[in-house]
Amino acid sequence: GEDVEQSLFLSVREGDSSVINCTYTDSSSTYLYWYKQEPGAGLQLLTYIFSNMDMKQDQRLTVLLNKKDKHLSLRIADTQTGDSAIYFCAEIGGTASKLTFGTGTRLQVTL
Amino acid sequence: DAGVIQSPRHEVTEMGQEVTLRCKPISGHNSLFWYRQTMMRGLELLIYFNNNVPIDDSGMPEDRFSAKMPNASFSTLKIQPSEPRDSAVYFCASRFGLETATYGYTFGSGTRLTVV
Repeated sequence: GEDVEQSLFLSVREGDSSVINCTYTDSSSTYLYWYKQEPGAGLQLLTYIFSNMDMKQDQRLTVLLNKKDKHLSLRIADTQTGDSAIYFCAEIGGTASKLTFGTGTRLQVTL
Repeated sequence: DAGVIQSPRHEVTEMGQEVTLRCKPISGHNSLFWYRQTMMRGLELLIYFNNNVPIDDSGMPEDRFSAKMPNASFSTLKIQPSEPRDSAVYFCASRFGLETATYGYTFGSGTRLTVV
């Protein structure tokens, strides 16, 4: 079945850039997503990218997709303490109707 | 729109009791998903419905778990009898057909279940 992997933890200093990485196995992925989960809350969709795109930028967020290597990354510029959360990547592919989520990366922003 | 609404937000129950979690999807969304989140297993898809019909329940862990969607605006996830290992946060999410593949799912705030 589909598999989505992420590193578990990332710590950055406030003002620096954060890069959260994700790898997936489903070669038929059509859309890939980044979700943010703050403590005690549900998952909030941050951004998405279609599989025929290499890059998407949305304010402080930049998504890079390397389809050949099945690698997705999320860059957060000028990281703030409010960005501290768990970030999930997810993919949906082919005729599948369901999202497959990664394990989540906990981002800690220090002063 | 108020988003996906789940109730209760928190539930503490004794082992062996029946637990019912509730979800109201976004109006007009025709797909509904139940997820469970734990530290050990992360996010697990339990079951999903399309147009009120269960499509894939392969993630339901045991027969103690059951889910229903009697109409387009309401779904329940029931655990009977509950066990301490069922303690987790249960999320409901909804989506409108394939068009919102560009928008993923909309999640509720979750129900934190503790079975003692």
